[in-house]
Amino acid sequence: GAVVSQHPSWVICKSGTSVKIECRSLDFQATTMFWYRQFPKQSLMLMATSNEGSKATYEQGVEKDKFLINHASLTLSTLTVTSAHPEDSSFYICSATTGGAVETQYFGPGTRLLVL
Amino acid sequence: RKEVEQDPGPFNVPEGATVAFNCTYSNSASQSFFWYRQDCRKEPKLLMSVYSSGNEDGRFTAQLNRASQYISLLIRDSKLSDSATYLCVVSPGSARQLTFGSGTQLTVLP
Repeated sequence: GAVVSQHPSWVICKSGTSVKIECRSLDFQATTMFWYRQFPKQSLMLMATSNEGSKATYEQGVEKDKFLINHASLTLSTLTVTSAHPEDSSFYICSATTGGAVETQYFGPGTRLLVL
Repeated sequence: RKEVEQDPGPFNVPEGATVAFNCTYSNSASQSFFWYRQDCRKEPKLLMSVYSSGNEDGRFTAQLNRASQYISLLIRDSKLSDSATYLCVVSPGSARQLTFGSGTQLTVLP
């Protein structure tokens, strides 16, 4: 199946720093990538939809100036958490669609962010 | 009311048991339905899509009741490796805008 990677898998940082997370589709071109966040014992919550070459669409309640998304190519999308605070600590997961008549979302392995 | 509701469990069952999970969704416009499994500290992985006529994949059977807005997953002959959190997922169409339930935790005991 299609493979999606994320880097880094773990991040520990100080409050106030910015953290960049990369999401790559390794063996297919992804016109659309999605960014999710999951807090412990909760469901995945969609943060934003990222389309190659255009601005991301953010879900209600997600600050676009805090969570910067760049989808510069068909195989790479980045999420930057700016001025991270402890409440941003979470499991961030991206997914990518393969396109076609039936669009299956393939998920990356996730990035655990801990802000001290 | 949550868009997708699941019993969080945990369900603790012995090996070989049959276990069923239920899920209800609130958006009557939902068109696509899935079950994902998520292992601890890992990403969710697609287990199976759910079709109106019901579908089976080995020991797993999924059913959809559109009138009641209800989805089920039946696991027969449980294995230790089935231990995971099972996520009910719905979408208004194709695979875009997936809405996840909070998951049902299953532990299969030896």
